[in-house]
Amino acid sequence: QSVLTQPPSASGTPGQRVTFSCSGSTSDIGSNTVNWYQQLPGTAPKLLIYNNDERPSGVPDRFSGSKSGTSASLAISGLQSEDEADYYCAAWGDSLNGYYVFGSGTKVIVL
Amino acid sequence: QVQLQQWGAGLLKPSETLSLTCGVYGGSLSVNYWSWIRQPPGKGLEWIGEINYTGSTNYNPSLKSRVTMSVDTSKNQFSLKLSSVTAADTAVYYCARMFYFGSGNYYIDYWGQGTLVTVSS
Repeated sequence: QSVLTQPPSASGTPGQRVTFSCSGSTSDIGSNTVNWYQQLPGTAPKLLIYNNDERPSGVPDRFSGSKSGTSASLAISGLQSEDEADYYCAAWGDSLNGYYVFGSGTKVIVL
Repeated sequence: QVQLQQWGAGLLKPSETLSLTCGVYGGSLSVNYWSWIRQPPGKGLEWIGEINYTGSTNYNPSLKSRVTMSVDTSKNQFSLKLSSVTAADTAVYYCARMFYFGSGNYYIDYWGQGTLVTVSS
């Protein structure tokens, strides 16, 4: 039921830079800010990026977000083994009465 | 530091009503919005809806007909009811705080620990 489209997986070796996208529409990403969440196995998601490109306190600056038009991207530079997790984008959708929509999720694999 | 602690029945039969409650500690229900999100086993996240301290709600259109959220400001708690459950409602359910910072701009900054709800006959 995801409205935002993400690639199922992305991979890289330690130290590499990994980037993946989140594609939406004019009524969600195109109109509102994008957030990114990291979910480690067996745990609740954690806020990674908010307001398109801002990092909460404690999130390493290896993580960066960007947005352009109806798409957003998350980049992880200097990939580390502990970055292996599921990553979800999300934004408010203005359709109907409005609701929060998540992306389909991208699993990052550290080779 | 806000902490969310949730509880409720973990095993239901088809057609029963799911009921979960989330307690808010270290913060007040009177600011921000409070939401429920679910995640079926091995699948992605789905936003169920949100409520604020006045009881104003906003639900995911795909679940709206079966969802009821409520808030008890005296106990600093909010609750979720999902009626007529089926096996498709089997999921880990999370309560969470949605921080609102302007029109259409939210992010989820605090999450509960999650409750696995299984629907099986």
